[in-house]
Amino acid sequence: AAGVIQSPRHLIKEKRETATLKCYPIPRHDTVYWYQQGPGQDPQFLISFYEKMQSDKGSIPDRFSAQQFSDYHSELNMSSLELGDSALYFCASSLGSRPEAFFGQGTRLTVV
Amino acid sequence: DAKTTQPNSMESNEEEPVHLPCNHSTISGTDYIHWYRQLPSQGPEYVIHGLTSNVNNRMASLAIAEDRKSSTLILHRATLRDAAVYYCILTFYGGATNKLIFGTGTLLAVQP
Repeated sequence: AAGVIQSPRHLIKEKRETATLKCYPIPRHDTVYWYQQGPGQDPQFLISFYEKMQSDKGSIPDRFSAQQFSDYHSELNMSSLELGDSALYFCASSLGSRPEAFFGQGTRLTVV
Repeated sequence: DAKTTQPNSMESNEEEPVHLPCNHSTISGTDYIHWYRQLPSQGPEYVIHGLTSNVNNRMASLAIAEDRKSSTLILHRATLRDAAVYYCILTFYGGATNKLIFGTGTLLAVQP
């Protein structure tokens, strides 16, 4: 069965650069969530979208923005990168508000 | 968001049952109880969820106390592949989306 696809899997950026992370949800899933997991930490909710509209917002820095496109894929844009942004970024998708969310393998962002 | 409390770590032997407890004394009547797990170097994985009644699926069982202030995830026969961090999470039932607020979780070690 198709799963959530994230790209790239690994990304190395320098401080103050920008990065774009992409998420392709499971077919027919209309809800996308973004999470950040720092080294040795638990995942933290950043933002979510339902039917291309932002549905909820967590601890997402103002330097980050995200959107969901007409084909339901989502992109997380990160500007003015800081060393502390180094983390695993997970995307998850679900069908509407169904309780089961399915996570991708994550994008490992390293800021140097 | 209502909080959950879980033991930091537990140990089990292979092929024995495992009972992972979770306390959620401030749960509201509209909160789902979810369990996710995260294997090393992977994204979180949905395990099971419930509202009021006990639930069974191919992965595990969820036993919910009558007053809903606690629940227990039951793995009937632990395998080495079940070694992971297990998260008990509450989400609001009836919202447009179900963001997950991860707590500390229980690190389950499975001994051969």
